[in-house]
Amino acid sequence: RKEVEQDPGPFNVPEGATVAFNCTYSNSASQSFFWYRQDCRKEPKLLMSVYSSGNEDGRFTAQLNRASQYISLLIRDSKLSDSATYLCVVATAAYDMRFGAGTRLTVKP
Amino acid sequence: GAVVSQHPSWVICKSGTSVKIECRSLDFQATTMFWYRQFPKQSLMLMATSNEGSKATYEQGVEKDKFLINHASLTLSTLTVTSAHPEDSSFYICSATFRERNTGELFFGEGSRLTVL
Repeated sequence: RKEVEQDPGPFNVPEGATVAFNCTYSNSASQSFFWYRQDCRKEPKLLMSVYSSGNEDGRFTAQLNRASQYISLLIRDSKLSDSATYLCVVATAAYDMRFGAGTRLTVKP
Repeated sequence: GAVVSQHPSWVICKSGTSVKIECRSLDFQATTMFWYRQFPKQSLMLMATSNEGSKATYEQGVEKDKFLINHASLTLSTLTVTSAHPEDSSFYICSATFRERNTGELFFGEGSRLTVL
């Protein structure tokens, strides 16, 4: 079993749609959780950290479920510019971060 | 602006040659630097972790003699792909964590796309 698993997609949604991604992790000792965004042929960039109580940043909401060992990302009112690959990152320590394979999102007009 | 700079962005080389990729932290001292490889439509795969002044720790399956990592200072780490072959063609990305910005966030370089002919 992979340490971090994501549905690879692709998710093809119209503009304005709400879309959600899940990510499961296998290591119960994981401490920190992040969502990164990676555009084609570019480096990943931090989208948001995921806190135990859940957190929201504009149209993006991240949630953590430790009991079931998954995190989620919800994107509301999708924009064309949201098209990218979303990477789930799980860390047991600052120097041990593991990446999911990414979920590819395409937002269409 | 960029926190971590990687160079070169693109490199094409002949099979059998060696290629050096540099990763520099621009404003902060990088306590740890990481090197990843990413094949098309696949996840980032951690190759090695390096701390300044010490030997890199390689992930299982990564040949340390083929992928030489030098982390000589708190602002520079280099990855040398020795005797490159076509199967080494990939996107290589470095990242760093910083003592001054200890939020757990990884700061990535822009990546280096290696094509071995």
